[in-house]
Amino acid sequence: GEDVEQSLFLSVREGDSSVINCTYTDSSSTYLYWYKQEPGAGLQLLTYIFSNMDMKQDQRLTVLLNKKDKHLSLRIADTQTGDSAIYFCAERFEQAGTALIFGKGTTLSVSS
Amino acid sequence: NAGVTQTPKFRVLKTGQSMTLLCAQDMNHEYMYWYRQDPGMGLRLIHYSVGEGTTAKGEVPDGYNVSRLKKQNFLLGLESAAPSQTSVYFCASSSPRRVSGEAFFGQGTRLTVV
Repeated sequence: GEDVEQSLFLSVREGDSSVINCTYTDSSSTYLYWYKQEPGAGLQLLTYIFSNMDMKQDQRLTVLLNKKDKHLSLRIADTQTGDSAIYFCAERFEQAGTALIFGKGTTLSVSS
Repeated sequence: NAGVTQTPKFRVLKTGQSMTLLCAQDMNHEYMYWYRQDPGMGLRLIHYSVGEGTTAKGEVPDGYNVSRLKKQNFLLGLESAAPSQTSVYFCASSSPRRVSGEAFFGQGTRLTVV
């Protein structure tokens, strides 16, 4: 079946850059997504990238896509304590009503 | 603009009891989904619906039933709750009319089965 893999934890200091990595399996995925989940809350869309793009930048966020290696990364510049959360990578699964298939999530901890 | 609303937000059930989780969206989205989130497991798709009156099984459908009688509502039922169904349940919706196809999530229902 489809599978999305992420590292589980990342710890950085405030002001540093954070890079969260993800690998996916479905080469036909048209869109890939990054969601953020704060404690006790639902998932909030951070950004997405179309599969024919290599990079997308949105303020402090940079998404890199290596379609050949099926590798997606999210870079957060100037990481703040408010960025502490769980970050989920997701791929779009066209065969299930375009449902999103999620990785297990990366817990980002930012220390001051 | 409410988006996706789930009720209830919290519930404790005894083993064997039944309950229904309600999801309502006000964005006129065609597609709706139920996920469960467990520690270290990410979100797993339980059931989904691509339109009123249609439902389909996801990755972990056993022990759950769903109904989509109205476009804006998607119900998740547990007929006989088991401790293994202790989880946080998320409803989401999306539309094929949005090119990017992102899903919008509710705030979750935390269910404990004792």
